[in-house]
Amino acid sequence: NAGVIQTPRHKVTGKGQEATLWCEPISGHSAVFWYRQTIVQGLEFLTYFRNQAPIDDSGMPKERFSAQMPNQSHSTLKIQSTQPQDSAVYLCASSLDWWGEAEQFFGPGTRLTVL
Amino acid sequence: GDSVTQTEGLVTLTEGLPVMLNCTYQSTYSPFLFWYVQHLNEAPKLLLKSFTDNKRPEHQGFHATLHKSSSSFHLQKSSAQLSDSALYYCALSPLIASSSFSKLVFGQGTSLSVVP
Repeated sequence: NAGVIQTPRHKVTGKGQEATLWCEPISGHSAVFWYRQTIVQGLEFLTYFRNQAPIDDSGMPKERFSAQMPNQSHSTLKIQSTQPQDSAVYLCASSLDWWGEAEQFFGPGTRLTVL
Repeated sequence: GDSVTQTEGLVTLTEGLPVMLNCTYQSTYSPFLFWYVQHLNEAPKLLLKSFTDNKRPEHQGFHATLHKSSSSFHLQKSSAQLSDSALYYCALSPLIASSSFSKLVFGQGTSLSVVP
């Protein structure tokens, strides 16, 4: 079991450019989550899929962020017109079950730096 | 709304001394509570979670007791080890009516530094 895979591990973009982050959840896990980690804000929930369906995107900045899960083996987080304040580590997690007490397994994260 | 408060940003302890990291929460209903640990340059990993039947969860010498009356889930260990140095996050999974949703609401995190 390779765990949750995230690519790329590091991404540097210029202000205004687009960034696409990829996540491959653990095989058989039905729930996929995206979080953002910064020193100032800590870990913040962004969005969540259950059986590929979007369930809750209440943490997503609406204008420039979007997430998709086209199949059970990968999810993408796209940030359009990146801004310096988008610089963060973006973490993807998956869990076997969507039930609230299910353990979430985190990937290593993608460190996004916007210059 | 749901929130988690960790009052200490940084805790520095001498090896062998007891550890206690504070966590309090606010939630409309009774949520599930978790502690996640993140070592340097690693992904967060589950350390322990609350049980619905009031059992005290334990893992790697750490334990936590859910006190609904005070809305607290403090993390404790009797004797700190150098390898315990890490970032510790308290988190809750909101419970809404009869449904439970998996998204985690995290506290700000407490950085634990254990020194010789």
